[in-house]
Amino acid sequence: AQSVTQLGSHVSVSEGALVLLRCNYSSSVPPYLFWYVQYPNQGLQLLLKYTSAATLVKGINGFEAEFKKSETSFHLTKPSAHMSDAAEYFCAVSDGNQGGKLIFGQGTELSVKP
Amino acid sequence: ETGVTQSPTHLIKTRGQQVTLRCSSQSGHNTVSWYQQALGQGPQFIFQYYREEENGRGNFPPRFSGLQFPNYSSELNVNALELDDSALYLCASSGDVLHNEQFFGPGTRLTVL
Repeated sequence: AQSVTQLGSHVSVSEGALVLLRCNYSSSVPPYLFWYVQYPNQGLQLLLKYTSAATLVKGINGFEAEFKKSETSFHLTKPSAHMSDAAEYFCAVSDGNQGGKLIFGQGTELSVKP
Repeated sequence: ETGVTQSPTHLIKTRGQQVTLRCSSQSGHNTVSWYQQALGQGPQFIFQYYREEENGRGNFPPRFSGLQFPNYSSELNVNALELDDSALYLCASSGDVLHNEQFFGPGTRLTVL
């Protein structure tokens, strides 16, 4: 069965600092991986996705993630945090056996201090 | 291009009641997935509809049921509401391609008292 683990339910960084949100996955097949962001009282917005092409994936708002098969990881990074990055971030894996349903991690809340 | 819309935005029900949540998929999308997001948790897959047929179901009891219409909009019905059904219900639509991006609506916040 596929699963996703996000390390750290809450991450706090200073504005301008590096953002690193950790995600590890478990999958018996080549995974399709996603990062979504959720702002308060809103739905989820796709930041980026990995679909077995380049291992370094660039997304919106300056975010990127690197797929590392040997470490079963797909960590999300951004070189310089902005106040507007404060939100909840979810890592997800797509289950091809169930029509591509998404299996989400528990989420990481990112706080950005001025 | 119209995105995914959901109605109502908020809903308050009492235990034992029934509720219907609605979702309009994004133009050109024929697949709708429903997720339940409890407070402080990641979304949990309820079920998916593809071209009006159920195409996968998560670990939810039969009192959670759904429907997809010819225009690919969808309904989520929950019978015999329980307190633990209080959550944000998210609808997502996607196109034909497996593992394609799912576009999420803003959700319906259901409170069961």
